[in-house]
Amino acid sequence: KNEVEQSPQNLTAQEGEFITINCSYSVGISALHWLQQHPGGGIVSLFMLSSGKKKHGRLIATINIQEKHSSLHITASHPRDSAVYICAVTDKLIFGTGTRLQVFP
Amino acid sequence: NAGVMQNPRHLVRRRGQEARLRCSPMKGHSHVYWYRQLPEEGLKFMVYLQKENIIDESGMPKERFSAEFPKEGPSILRIQQVVRGDSAAYFCASSRVQGDLEPQHFGDGTRLSIL
Repeated sequence: KNEVEQSPQNLTAQEGEFITINCSYSVGISALHWLQQHPGGGIVSLFMLSSGKKKHGRLIATINIQEKHSSLHITASHPRDSAVYICAVTDKLIFGTGTRLQVFP
Repeated sequence: NAGVMQNPRHLVRRRGQEARLRCSPMKGHSHVYWYRQLPEEGLKFMVYLQKENIIDESGMPKERFSAEFPKEGPSILRIQQVVRGDSAAYFCASSRVQGDLEPQHFGDGTRLSIL
């Protein structure tokens, strides 16, 4: 069993829909990262959080340390949000396998 | 551009050749991490370095792979006698200090293709 599990693996949505991507982990951590990887492109760090909730634009990330679970939400999704979203934990990052999101106009 | 710089962006090598991948961390960052992303797989940690020191190489294959981060210049990931299975995207990240609460900044990666 992977130490970091993401769901769903693939997700398609219509433009404007509310998106939720989940991440569960089995190791003890102090913080969790959400990353975005565009096709053929690099990796962008979206959030690093250790408790509660963070918001940046249309993106919201929450974490529950006791339940070892985090969610990434995208409100009013747009085709440009299409990417692979990856959660990762600890300083020597252990990555989830990613969620491939496609948003159609 | 003050971000993490990796070069080359794409590298093609024939089996048996050597591959050298370079990573210049963000200004002020002295911690460098290398990750590998095999085709259709997730990212995996390879090695963590500080200036002139390898701190954790638990993710590095035992043979043919080495990494350094000299006092001056970029961090280098070196792969000797490359094989087809080394084809992957190699990402470098840097941070100011080490720790769970310290964000890592990623480069755009080097796509290595072995013919």
